Amino acid sequence: KAGVTQTPRYLIKTRGQQVTLSCSPISGHRSVSWYQQTPGQGLQFLFEYFSETQRNKGNFPGRFSGRQFSNSRSEMNVSTLELGDSALYLCASSWNQETQYFGPGTRLLVL
Amino acid sequence: DAKTTQPNSMESNEEEPVHLPCNHSTISGTDYIHWYRQLPSQGPEYVIHGLTSNVNNRMASLAIAEDRKSSTLILHRATLRDAAVYYCILRDLALPGNKLVFGAGTILRVKS
Repeated sequence: KAGVTQTPRYLIKTRGQQVTLSCSPISGHRSVSWYQQTPGQGLQFLFEYFSETQRNKGNFPGRFSGRQFSNSRSEMNVSTLELGDSALYLCASSWNQETQYFGPGTRLLVL
Repeated sequence: DAKTTQPNSMESNEEEPVHLPCNHSTISGTDYIHWYRQLPSQGPEYVIHGLTSNVNNRMASLAIAEDRKSSTLILHRATLRDAAVYYCILRDLALPGNKLVFGAGTILRVKS
């Protein structure tokens, strides 16, 4: 089976812009979670989608949003980018509550 | 979310066993103990998980204290490829969803 794929792998944006990141889960996985990783804060949970519904949400401002499509693919959007949004954004998929499979991440740089 | 405490870093020699400790004194009865690791420039990778009994898989073993307030991840023969950040995470499987709360983890360095 193919692993979790994330596109794009690298992205450079400027402050005030918005960005959309994409995640394709492993075939058959209906849960997709998003995480932000920064040197200062480490790995932080953003949100989780299951069957097109947000099931869990972390403590991030409303500028961070996501959605899931009927084929389980997910996108996350960050509006009005700030310098502090520079991070590695990781997506993980799962078919149960025991194991999550992470993608390679999208590295976002905000200038 | 119940908290875990891990050493900041550990060092091991190649081909020797490694014992990575994790303290979780406030663990609840429905908390499973999960371990993930993150190799350089990669996303985290599932290693192992358990509830009460010791667990073994092809990657590692998990030894859980009888009172469940601590656990140890055991890599039987460390290789250079095992150099990574290891995260010990408690997951309450009574709660819906797949939220993982990562701590700072333990940086494992493997010397050749």
